[in-house]
Amino acid sequence: QVQLVESGGGLVKPGGSLRLSCAASGFTFSDSYMSWIRQVAGKGLEWVAHISGSGNSILYADSVKGRFTISRDNAKNSLYLQMKSLRAGDTAVYYCARSSRTFDYWGQGTLVTVSS
Amino acid sequence: DIQMTQSRSSLSASVGDRVTITCRASQSISSYLNWYQQQPGRAPKLLIYGASSLQDGVPSRFSGSGSGTDFTLTISSLQPEDFATYYCQQSYSLPQTFGQGTKVEIK
Repeated sequence: QVQLVESGGGLVKPGGSLRLSCAASGFTFSDSYMSWIRQVAGKGLEWVAHISGSGNSILYADSVKGRFTISRDNAKNSLYLQMKSLRAGDTAVYYCARSSRTFDYWGQGTLVTVSS
Repeated sequence: DIQMTQSRSSLSASVGDRVTITCRASQSISSYLNWYQQQPGRAPKLLIYGASSLQDGVPSRFSGSGSGTDFTLTISSLQPEDFATYYCQQSYSLPQTFGQGTKVEIK
């Protein structure tokens, strides 16, 4: 069955960096667009970035453009999100999701807290 | 960006009730509208795609309708496990955007 498992979240100071990972299994990872989506506690969902199966097509939300980098390693069935210049407003649970016209499979999420 | 608006942030209902949740897009999105359910502490789960198609494994008491700018998610007979927050999401254009959610609470 499809499984997505995020890791790498934690507490980081403002201005710091963090790298999130998402391990995928149960589907052909290299054929799938993948996205990162975040959710501030008690709030709604915000799409952050997506990457095509080959990695050639990438798009970011304006709120993270220039600070976050999405990447993937198809040999390892893994998705990544490198986050730099983190702000308090980036504090959220970050989900990876398989994406096309829908987000049909989601991981359990990893919490990123940006605080001094 | 296309704005998605769910008119009610919460509603109260009882087990067995018919529940309707609405979502409006700031411009026409044809039928590129998806619905997700999120239970507390869990990841969202896809319920409906393409405005009215039921995702595999989702109970038939869930249904979706609408096209253009106005959409509806209906739960025909609310069950205890349906108390959750429901989000609409447009996949017509990038960036894909979500509504702010409607929480279905126990009356």
